[in-house]
Formats: sequence, C-alpha cells, structure tokens
Amino acid sequence: EPEVTQTPSHQVTQMGQEVILRCVPISNHLYFYWYRQILGQKVEFLVSFYNNEISEKSEIFDDQFSVERPDGSNFTLKIRSTKLEDSAMYFCASNRQEGGYGYTFGSGTRLTVV
Amino acid sequence: ELKVEQNPLFLSMQEGKNYTIYCNYSTTSDRLYWYRQDPGKSLESLFVLLSNGAVKQEGRLMASLDTKARLSTLHITAAVHDLSATYFCAGNYGGSQGNLIFGKGTKLSVKP
Repeated sequence: EPEVTQTPSHQVTQMGQEVILRCVPISNHLYFYWYRQILGQKVEFLVSFYNNEISEKSEIFDDQFSVERPDGSNFTLKIRSTKLEDSAMYFCASNRQEGGYGYTFGSGTRLTVV
Repeated sequence: ELKVEQNPLFLSMQEGKNYTIYCNYSTTSDRLYWYRQDPGKSLESLFVLLSNGAVKQEGRLMASLDTKARLSTLHITAAVHDLSATYFCAGNYGGSQGNLIFGKGTKLSVKP
C-alpha cells in the first residue's frame, strides 16, 4: 500500500535554529498538507498546498514557517527560527483530490526544540 | 468556522463492555472522519462518513453520522485490549481545500 514517508523521524534542535522537515507524498496525489500535534493534544492544521502554491494556512503558520515542493516528489516544511513552543509531532498528509476522503498521513517527525 | 468537540476525552473500559464516543461539530461538514492513533504513531484512517444516516462497521467498531444533529458516534462493541488507543474525529467543510479540523481525541483504555 502506498505510503507517505517523512524524515527524519526525530529531530532535536536548539532554539533559534532553522529546521527542515521532509515528506514524500504518494506519487499520484495532488494535495499536500502539514499538521502538527503538541504532545497529548489534538492535531492542528498548519497549511495546505496545491499546484505549487499554498492554498490555505492557519494562524499557526506565521512568517517563521514556509513550505516548498522543490523537485516534484519532496514536500518540505521549514521553520526559520525555532521556538520552544514549536516542539511537537509534525505530520505530512496527501490526498488525490481536494477534500477527497483518501487522506494518507505520514508517520510523523517529532521535533524537540531545546 | 468549524469546531469539533469530542466526549468523553478519557474512557476506561473493561474488556467485553460496550461504549460510545460522541463527536459534535458546529457547522456543516462535508464529511466526517474517524482516526485511530497509537502512542507515538501516526493517524490511521478508520472511517469516512459521507452523508446523513451513513453507518460503517469494521470489526468491533461502528461509526454513524447524523448531519441534522451534527453528531457522529463511534460505538465499541465487546471491547478488547487491542482497541486501546486515542480516537479522533475530524471534519472538513466546503471552501477549506479539504483541511481537516480535529477534535481533541478520546483516549481509550481497555482493561482486562
């Protein structure tokens, strides 16, 4: 069964450093998403991406965040200057169609900011 | 703005018992989703409910949707330990590019 692959599985970074989280969505999917989950809390939407541009973003997705699909297979989330409160599990998801029910989530990257 | 509320947030059950998790949502949602999450793991899709009156069953889990009441339920029949996990419901709404709005999750613990 096709999978969404995320790397790394765990990243520890110092406050103020830049991090890039990587995702390889399912190859025939067109819609891509990043979500985050602070430990023990609910899953929160960050950003959706379609046709090489951001479709929608939440209030969490401020100027410190950016997304990119650099090469047609990878989908990345960059946090420019990490803060302690950015510590969370970050999930990438993809879908074949807008609002289609075939969301597939990756296994997540646990980001720890120290 | 769509809001999704789940209850209970914590549920401790004995094996063999039945229970229901409730998911209320605040405004029209195109679809209603149920996910399972094991500790430290990703989100596993359980059910997608597309229309009013939809009922889906998989093993000991059954999900239903009442769009008029803006309520979905996840019913657990004869619980077993393997069902211990956190269960999330999520909705999306028109014009949202399909973004999912999640409830806070129900942490289910099934004890022998």
